[in-house]
Amino acid sequence: QKEVEQDPGPLSVPEGAIVSLNCTYSNSAFQYFMWYRQYSRKGPELLMYTYSSGNKEDGRFTAQVDKSSKYISLFIRDSQPSDSATYLCAMSEVTGFQKLVFGTGTRLLVSP
Amino acid sequence: NAGVTQTPKFQVLKTGQSMTLQCAQDMNHNSMYWYRQDPGMGLRLIYYSASEGTTDKGEVPNGYNVSRLNKREFSLRLESAAPSQTSVYFCASSITQIRNTEAFFGQGTRLTVV
Repeated sequence: QKEVEQDPGPLSVPEGAIVSLNCTYSNSAFQYFMWYRQYSRKGPELLMYTYSSGNKEDGRFTAQVDKSSKYISLFIRDSQPSDSATYLCAMSEVTGFQKLVFGTGTRLLVSP
Repeated sequence: NAGVTQTPKFQVLKTGQSMTLQCAQDMNHNSMYWYRQDPGMGLRLIYYSASEGTTDKGEVPNGYNVSRLNKREFSLRLESAAPSQTSVYFCASSITQIRNTEAFFGQGTRLTVV
């Protein structure tokens, strides 16, 4: 079983929909959680970062961590066609980029 | 304002051939990384360099070698390519290895080994 599980999708939604992207993990020691967005044929770019539990909001994006359930979510409000991309979760026990364990990514398609 | 630049963008190799993937960053970052991305496997760390003059193995180092040529450049070498090394390779850099949030990826090299 992988340490980090992520549904590969694709997840297809109409423009304006609320999108929920999720990851589950097995290592209860993870405490740094990140979401990356990867456009087709591009490298990943950091979207959201959360330490430990709780919510974090940035514009239309909200990251949520539930450590008791070992479950993290990324919500996108008022989704736009430009949000069409693959979303990768990543997490680690300790700080250090080389320590990150990445999910496989969920492909999101937002249709006009 | 290039960020992290990888060359080449695409490459086809025959089994047994060798090649070097180049990576350069212009952000004065100390740490650099090589990942491979495969369907269903996610991003996996091959090697990283915490600072100029140091390199360390990641999760999947077998079949690869790296060189931190200077602070800007970090190359990945495949000595004898195998079909299992068909993948998309990403280079990344960060100001230090400690800071999770300040890492940037290049655009990737798509490598096919036939």
